[in-house]
Amino acid sequence: DQQVKQNSPSLSVQEGRISILNCDYTNSMFDYFLWYKKYPAEGPTFLISISSIKDKNEDGRFTVFLNKSAKHLSLHIVPSQPGDSAVYFCAASPVAGSARQLTFGSGTQLTVLP
Amino acid sequence: DAGITQSPRYKITETGRQVTLMCHQTWSHSYMFWYRQDLGHGLRLIYYSAAADITDKGEVPDGYVVSRSKTENFPLTLESATRSQTSVYFCATGWTASTDTQYFGPGTRLTVL
Repeated sequence: DQQVKQNSPSLSVQEGRISILNCDYTNSMFDYFLWYKKYPAEGPTFLISISSIKDKNEDGRFTVFLNKSAKHLSLHIVPSQPGDSAVYFCAASPVAGSARQLTFGSGTQLTVLP
Repeated sequence: DAGITQSPRYKITETGRQVTLMCHQTWSHSYMFWYRQDLGHGLRLIYYSAAADITDKGEVPDGYVVSRSKTENFPLTLESATRSQTSVYFCATGWTASTDTQYFGPGTRLTVL
């Protein structure tokens, strides 16, 4: 039973448009949420995080939104660039920032078309 | 100065064989982690280490053994490989156990025939 789900395995977006990647979770104990980006033949890299006390966190072109009542988070990339093409994983933890208790989603492959 | 390296990058082995995946870091980070990533699944933690000679189980430790005699190395051994252990294995390091300071290696793709 996957506690963190990314239901879209892939997404294609035109350069300059908004990319929206979605993630749902089932465990009410999750308190901290993260997004990672992964290029082929490389390991994941941390992108952005959000605590459950917030509903939005921005970092440049990347914004994460959290809807606790719906147990849903999303990552918005505006504007999308070809270099953003990668696999994006969402992850959740019951303890802020604890790598030992992370649960990952299965990932969404984003392709940004020039 | 590669930071974190994994070797081999690709490995094919047979059921029942012992396999060791190596992870090496040059940062002297205290924490090191091993994850596996399977098709259609996210990363799952196998083992982690808080310091040399201190290791602990993660979510999916069965069938794996780790050791950490030196801060910079964290080998992962499959004592008797099974087909279900076919996966991509990622090592990660960090100054703390915090997710925000983790650095992942490039991964080892292991196929067990």
